[in-house]
Amino acid sequence: AQSVTQLGSHVSVSEGALVLLRCNYSSSVPPYLFWYVQYPNQGLQLLLKYTTGATLVKGINGFEAEFKKSETSFHLTKPSAHMSDAAEYFCAVSDKAGNNRKLIWGLGTSLAVNP
Amino acid sequence: KAGVTQTPRYLIKTRGQQVTLSCSPISGHRSVSWYQQTPGQGLQFLFEYFSETQRNKGNFPGRFSGRQFSNSRSEMNVSTLELGDSALYLCASSLALAGARDEQFFGPGTRLTVL
Repeated sequence: AQSVTQLGSHVSVSEGALVLLRCNYSSSVPPYLFWYVQYPNQGLQLLLKYTTGATLVKGINGFEAEFKKSETSFHLTKPSAHMSDAAEYFCAVSDKAGNNRKLIWGLGTSLAVNP
Repeated sequence: KAGVTQTPRYLIKTRGQQVTLSCSPISGHRSVSWYQQTPGQGLQFLFEYFSETQRNKGNFPGRFSGRQFSNSRSEMNVSTLELGDSALYLCASSLALAGARDEQFFGPGTRLTVL
């Protein structure tokens, strides 16, 4: 079955440290991959997405992710964490469902940034 | 361009009652998806409407229903409320079906508390 696994429901980093949020997926077709962020008391917003082409994708707020087909991964990184990055991060995969595609969501990773 | 709006933002109901939540998508968007978000379960897909037709449905009981109007506005209804229905209900709109390459735009959510 199609699935998305986000390793680590809670991740804590120090300000200025590398942020690495992991996402692995299973998909029956070439996937479309998304990372969304949810700040407290807000809806989700798109950070970045991969559909086709270059496998290293740059998003907003200095985040980037790399699609690795052989590892079925789409990990999110940021070189230097900022306090404002504290939020919930969701990985989503678009997979085939009948004649359509369907979004499959991970359970989310809560990122805490310590001063 | 106005974002996705959801009304009401907060709602308190008692067990056994029913509730209707409303979502107005971004102008021009034809797809509206609904999600239930709880701390323990993450983001769970309820259903998606596109051009007034339900296109996808998650694994929720029949107490959860929805509809979409010709102007793409959508409502979801929960009948016979249970304590476990307490959650943040998020609405998202997109140009094409969710799962396509397009980004989903989320509203701020409706916080439902069932007492």
